[in-house]
Amino acid sequence: QVQLQQWGAGLLKPSETLSLTCAVYGGSFSGYYWSWIRQPPGKGLEWIGEINHSGSTNYNPSLKSRVTISVDTSKNQFSLKLSSVTAADTAVYYCARGCQGHHKPSGGVFYYMDVWGKGTTVTVSS
Amino acid sequence: SSELTQDPAVSVALGQTVRITCQGDSLRSYYASWYQQKPGQAPVLVIYGKNNRPSGIPDRFSGSSSGNTASLTITGAQAEDEADYYCNSRDSSGNRIGVFGGGTKLTVL
Repeated sequence: QVQLQQWGAGLLKPSETLSLTCAVYGGSFSGYYWSWIRQPPGKGLEWIGEINHSGSTNYNPSLKSRVTISVDTSKNQFSLKLSSVTAADTAVYYCARGCQGHHKPSGGVFYYMDVWGKGTTVTVSS
Repeated sequence: SSELTQDPAVSVALGQTVRITCQGDSLRSYYASWYQQKPGQAPVLVIYGKNNRPSGIPDRFSGSSSGNTASLTITGAQAEDEADYYCNSRDSSGNRIGVFGGGTKLTVL
């Protein structure tokens, strides 16, 4: 059973860099999109970005200039860095395993995140 | 703003059937996935692909799609189904950007 364990600093000052890491236990690291999602207090989910085992990344255009997602396949870990944080970056940050493929009978594409970390609360305050 | 549109709130009487919808252009190409989130907890995948339930998800949860609209149906809603529900897909740009709907708060009366 795959489990994701995440950690990182929970309190930052404006302009600092957010740094979180997510470790993957109990499953293959290849063939998936390792993702970061966040949720501001009282608001909905926001997709931040993803990386695959070979290091190919996709980022939310609204955050792309500040986001870096990296992978360490030797440790089965992936990480998120978000630079120049402000109070608007205060949120619960989740890591998740993403899956994508084709449904052959219909030709449609499926995409989903089936395993999630417990979340890390990050507060940005001076 | 989200490329996937959901009604902010829906209510259902205990034991009745409720449908939660999600609209977006990308849903013409991608199957939506659906997540249940209870207060203070991480989201849980409940439906993915054409109509697949992960292990442990009750069979009262089902999914369907037509055109640009995906639906999550709960047949015989239970009190424990009260939660926020989010749909998710790629965006319509073709650039493999993930998007979530704004979420639907389901109240079981």
